[in-house]
Amino acid sequence: AQSVAQPEDQVNVAEGNPLTVKCTYSVSGNPYLFWYVQYPNRGLQFLLKYITGDNLVKGSYGFEAEFNKSQTSFHLKKPSALVSDSALYFCAVSQSGGSYIPTFGRGTSLIVHP
Amino acid sequence: GAGVSQTPSNKVTEKGKYVELRCDPISGHTALYWYRQSLGQGPEFLIYFQGTGAADDSGLPNDRFFAVRPEGSVSTLKIQRTERGDSAVYLCASSSPGGTYNEQFFGPGTRLTVL
Repeated sequence: AQSVAQPEDQVNVAEGNPLTVKCTYSVSGNPYLFWYVQYPNRGLQFLLKYITGDNLVKGSYGFEAEFNKSQTSFHLKKPSALVSDSALYFCAVSQSGGSYIPTFGRGTSLIVHP
Repeated sequence: GAGVSQTPSNKVTEKGKYVELRCDPISGHTALYWYRQSLGQGPEFLIYFQGTGAADDSGLPNDRFFAVRPEGSVSTLKIQRTERGDSAVYLCASSSPGGTYNEQFFGPGTRLTVL
């Protein structure tokens, strides 16, 4: 079985400050990890993914995420937050050799204050 | 090119009625997924198609839910005898063929309200 936890329902950060949105996962094999963003009344948009290789993954809109196997984490980060980054962020996991169905976390609402 | 489209964007129906929700995936994407998203939750898997066949329908909650993809492109999610608990946003996504490592491209969703 695979699972994802996003421990924070909401993250608040001031514009220009660094942001982190946390994600931990559980899989029986090697994980494939994804971050998606959802703006109001829109579908989810892919931000970045970790498949293999470098633990630091860079994605769209200046976001990056760090894969940490020992801590089973894949936290999303950005050095300088923008008000326009305010949205819902979802972490998802699937696994090598497993089902084609990813499991999504409950989501974290990111609010960036001017 | 166009992204994933879903129609209608909103559907209001009465308890007990039948509804159909349509998804038009990105051209060339053979994998198609249906999810249901309730307020404050992440997408909950319903069914996955690879081509015309349902490769995994383990997420369908009961036999009132059914989905088809007869020509390997457009898909329709069908809900019979709707119940108030079916109210949610239904999301469709498509991806390039093969592997669990491909990102999915989501449509804007259909908001279903059962009165």
